[in-house]
Amino acid sequence: GESVGLHLPTLSVQEGDNSIINCAYSNSASDYFIWYKQESGKGPQFIIDIRSNMDKRQGQRVTVLLNKTVKHLSLQIAATQPGDSAVYFCAEEYSSASKIIFGSGTRLSIRP
Amino acid sequence: DAGVIQSPRHEVTEMGQEVTLRCKPISGHDYLFWYRQTMMRGLELLIYFNNNVPIDDSGMPEDRFSAKMPNASFSTLKIQPSEPRDSAVYFCASSSRTGFLGGRGTGELFFGEGSRLTVL
Repeated sequence: GESVGLHLPTLSVQEGDNSIINCAYSNSASDYFIWYKQESGKGPQFIIDIRSNMDKRQGQRVTVLLNKTVKHLSLQIAATQPGDSAVYFCAEEYSSASKIIFGSGTRLSIRP
Repeated sequence: DAGVIQSPRHEVTEMGQEVTLRCKPISGHDYLFWYRQTMMRGLELLIYFNNNVPIDDSGMPEDRFSAKMPNASFSTLKIQPSEPRDSAVYFCASSSRTGFLGGRGTGELFFGEGSRLTVL
């Protein structure tokens, strides 16, 4: 069935370093992917998205990479800041179905 | 815009009681989603609506759960009777997908702050 999973449940990064959060997805029909950030006590917030016809997309301090061959997605955060501390989720969608499935999440903690 | 508004933010109830969670989506959004979040199962999609019509309710755990969207500005998720295993944070999210499904824009979901349910 459709599922999205994460390789690492927790990630500790030194402030100022780059962070890489990984995600594996299983539905080869998925054609749209989003990364969300969830801070404590809040709902998930959109970070960046990518369609399956792309393999890289950049935003402000964030980059998403998509490898459809191995069904792998990653989120790179440059110069990690204390405000980046949160749980990060990848989500996949087969857009014709509009059914959005979330992965299990990775907690990112920042060391001063 | 005030964003997606959910109520109540916190609910504590006893097993067997009826629980109703409410959601007001962002005005103009044509999709509404209900998710449940627990430590064990993460974020689970329960049901979603398009233009007030339920499209996929395959994630609804059992007949004790029901969801309605009587108009574009309001949706409810009801649990009757509630059980301790229903304890979770329930999120409502809305999205505008008219352009997205045509290949433009984003399909991002705008989440409310959630309703934390505790069933004793």
